[in-house]
Amino acid sequence: QKEVEQNSGPLSVPEGAIASLNCTYSDRGSQSFFWYRQYSGKSPELIMSIYSNGDKEDGRFTAQLNKASQYVSLLIRDSQPSDSATYLCADTGTASKLTFGTGTRLQVTL
Amino acid sequence: GAVVSQHPSRVICKSGTSVKIECRSLDFQATTMFWYRQFPKQSLMLMATSNEGSKATYEQGVEKDKFLINHASLTLSTLTVTSAHPEDSSFYICSAISGVGTNIQYFGAGTRLSVL
Repeated sequence: QKEVEQNSGPLSVPEGAIASLNCTYSDRGSQSFFWYRQYSGKSPELIMSIYSNGDKEDGRFTAQLNKASQYVSLLIRDSQPSDSATYLCADTGTASKLTFGTGTRLQVTL
Repeated sequence: GAVVSQHPSRVICKSGTSVKIECRSLDFQATTMFWYRQFPKQSLMLMATSNEGSKATYEQGVEKDKFLINHASLTLSTLTVTSAHPEDSSFYICSAISGVGTNIQYFGAGTRLSVL
């Protein structure tokens, strides 16, 4: 059974610091990887998608993918209190079905 | 990103009644939509994949006769929870893939169902 693993947290970082969120996946056939942000009581919002090994940057967010290690990460620079949320890692193979991790709760403190 | 509208946002109903949830893609045609369920402090669990003009594909353990899915057009999929019971109380979320050649899913705002 395909699995996506995340540390549930909470991960606490001070405002302005870099938050580092990690994720591992079990399916070597996975081709696409996504980070979603979910505020309490709301639905997930797409933050980043990454398909190739290496880094992908979008504003304050950087996604990193290492297929050999089956590892995906998300870095958030200059963390803000509004970044406090649960971050869901997900992957998908050829069928386009997403497999979600349980999420890491991030708390950005003042 | 693409916009997916989900309605209603919240439903409170009595046990034994049926509830219909609508999911619409507002600015694109969605040949594939997905329905998820999320219990408190848990991650999203895929219930079924909905394809326009064909029967939905249900995940293992999801009762197709209880959770009726209809994808009658390229912009609308509906989920009907039939004879709802308190254990069906959950957060139901739909998503849609925004176009051919992409596998990015955009999510509706979700429907919080409370069955009394």
